[in-house]
Amino acid sequence: GDSVTQMEGPVTLSEEACLTINCTYTATGYPSLFWYVQYPGEGLQLLLKATKADDKGSNKGFEATYRKETTSFHLEKGSVQVSDSAVYFCALSERTNAGKSTFGDGTTLTVKP
Amino acid sequence: EAGVTQFPSHSVIEKGQTVTLRCDPISGHDNLYWYRRVMGKEIKFLLHFVKESKQDESGMPNNRFLAERTGGTYSTLKVQPAELEDSGVYFCASSQSQIRANVLTFGAGSRLTVL
Repeated sequence: GDSVTQMEGPVTLSEEACLTINCTYTATGYPSLFWYVQYPGEGLQLLLKATKADDKGSNKGFEATYRKETTSFHLEKGSVQVSDSAVYFCALSERTNAGKSTFGDGTTLTVKP
Repeated sequence: EAGVTQFPSHSVIEKGQTVTLRCDPISGHDNLYWYRRVMGKEIKFLLHFVKESKQDESGMPNNRFLAERTGGTYSTLKVQPAELEDSGVYFCASSQSQIRANVLTFGAGSRLTVL
């Protein structure tokens, strides 16, 4: 079945540092890929998505590129802020049922001033 | 537009007791999903409603879990009797469409602690 493997956390960075959270996946079909973020005390929010190979999703300075050849969707940001502290989840869904998603374990990011 | 609302935000019960979690999806969203995150691990799919019908309940762990969506509006997830391993955060999400990578809107989650 489908699976998502995320870089283990927690990750602690200083403000303005570069961020990369690795994500690789296994899927039977041709999935769509997502990054969700959960800020403290809030629900999951979609951060960005990509629906086909070589697509780049981007939002709030974060970006991730759908790499079919390496089955990866790594999350990157050039300069993190304290407000980026949250739990980040990589996920995929098959095209026939976008709501039934497979998630990774989540990576907790803490950004220190 | 109101988001997905879940209640309670946190519930602490003893093993063997019953708990009912509620989810109010975004108005007009026919698709409603339940997920849970146990012990800080991955978020796992539990089931999917389309209106009042269960489309897919392949993720329900066992028959101690009962989900309903009477009238196709809000949904409840009952755990009876609760066991220690049921502790975790239960998320509800809704969407208008189940195809074309439609965006899921999640609630804040209901944290369940079973002692």
